[in-house]
Amino acid sequence: EAGVAQSPRYKIIEKRQSVAFWCNPISGHATLYWYQQILGQGPKLLIQFQNNGVVDDSQLPKDRFSAERLKGVDSTLKIQPAKLEDSAVYLCASSPTWREGYEQYFGPGTRLTVT
Amino acid sequence: DAKTTQPNSMESNEEEPVHLPCNHSTISGTDYIHWYRQLPSQGPEYVIHGLTSNVNNRMASLAIAEDRKSSTLILHRATLRDAAVYYCILRRYNNAGNMLTFGGGTRLMVKP
Repeated sequence: EAGVAQSPRYKIIEKRQSVAFWCNPISGHATLYWYQQILGQGPKLLIQFQNNGVVDDSQLPKDRFSAERLKGVDSTLKIQPAKLEDSAVYLCASSPTWREGYEQYFGPGTRLTVT
Repeated sequence: DAKTTQPNSMESNEEEPVHLPCNHSTISGTDYIHWYRQLPSQGPEYVIHGLTSNVNNRMASLAIAEDRKSSTLILHRATLRDAAVYYCILRRYNNAGNMLTFGGGTRLMVKP
């Protein structure tokens, strides 16, 4: 089966610009996650969707980050305006459901560099 | 989620077994122990998980201490492709979701 797809793979922008990342989860997976991974650290959850509803966005910096999941399938994460500290890899993951016993499948990530 | 403690790095020789330790002294009765690994320039991938009993799958084995305050991920024969960062994560099953809280992990280096 096809894995989690993300695009673009790399993005370089200047601070105060806007950027958007796209994620296509594995077909049929109800739960979708966005993580931020700063160099040298483990991934940090930003937001979790169950179908098209938000389950948890407590760690999403809502003044500049936004995310949506269109029709409960694809998802977009946006940063506006970007700061230097937003430089990181943004990972998307999906799982069949949020319940225990189901692993999360991660995409390859989008590496963002803010200059 | 409760906190886990792992060594920053470990080295192993190719084709030898590797034991990756994880301490989780504040684990609660409903915390599951999950292991993920992240190969260079890739997203994390699931390795194994368990609650109380030891678990085996095609990738690895998970040995859980009787008091559940520690666990060990066992790779039976390390290959060069097993060089990665291994994350030990405790996850509590509740209605709030399926969030994984990653720590710093253990960077495993495999020598030929």
